Amino acid sequence: GAVVSQHPSRVICKSGTSVKIECRSLDFQATTMFWYRQFPKQSLMLMATSNEGSKATYEQGVEKDKFLINHASLTLSTLTVTSAHPEDSSFYICSARVSKYGYTFGSGTRLTVV
Amino acid sequence: GQQLNQSPQSMFIQEGEDVSMNCTSSSIFNTWLWYKQEPGEGPVLLIALYKAGELTSNGRLTAQFGITRKDSFLNISASIPSDVGIYFCAGHPPPNSGAGSYQLTFGKGTKLSVIP
Repeated sequence: GAVVSQHPSRVICKSGTSVKIECRSLDFQATTMFWYRQFPKQSLMLMATSNEGSKATYEQGVEKDKFLINHASLTLSTLTVTSAHPEDSSFYICSARVSKYGYTFGSGTRLTVV
Repeated sequence: GQQLNQSPQSMFIQEGEDVSMNCTSSSIFNTWLWYKQEPGEGPVLLIALYKAGELTSNGRLTAQFGITRKDSFLNISASIPSDVGIYFCAGHPPPNSGAGSYQLTFGKGTKLSVIP
């Protein structure tokens, strides 16, 4: 089946630095990918929708300049958390659309900003 | 935006017992999906429902798409320790509802604990 590989699985960074999270579709082409954020014991909150070759669509309240999304190819979308702060610590999950209503999720990235 | 009310929030059950959880919405959904998430992992699809009234099974799991299109339930029969995790319902609202194309809306999850 369709597999999405997300890296890194865990990252610890210093406050003020930037972190890049990658999401790759391994055996299919993903024209649309979604980025979610999940706080402990909470549900997945959609941050943005990225479409290959065009600008990402951000949800209300998500800072575009803080969370940079690039979807330059049909198999790779990246999320860069710029100038990270402790409040950005969270679990970030990507998802790729594999069919009209079908999605597959990455395994998530635990970001800790110290 | 669209909201899904998922209940119960958490459950503690004995191994071998059956489990039931559900999701409701004040507005209609075009699809209902049930996912399981284990600690430190992304959600994994369990069952997908595409038509009102649809009843689908996947092993010990059974889910139904409510006839009103505003609810869905998931049943797990004869629970085992590896059923532990957080179960999320998710759905697609209709295209003209204001949500983005094919965006998923998630419930808040049901945390399942199974006592051996």
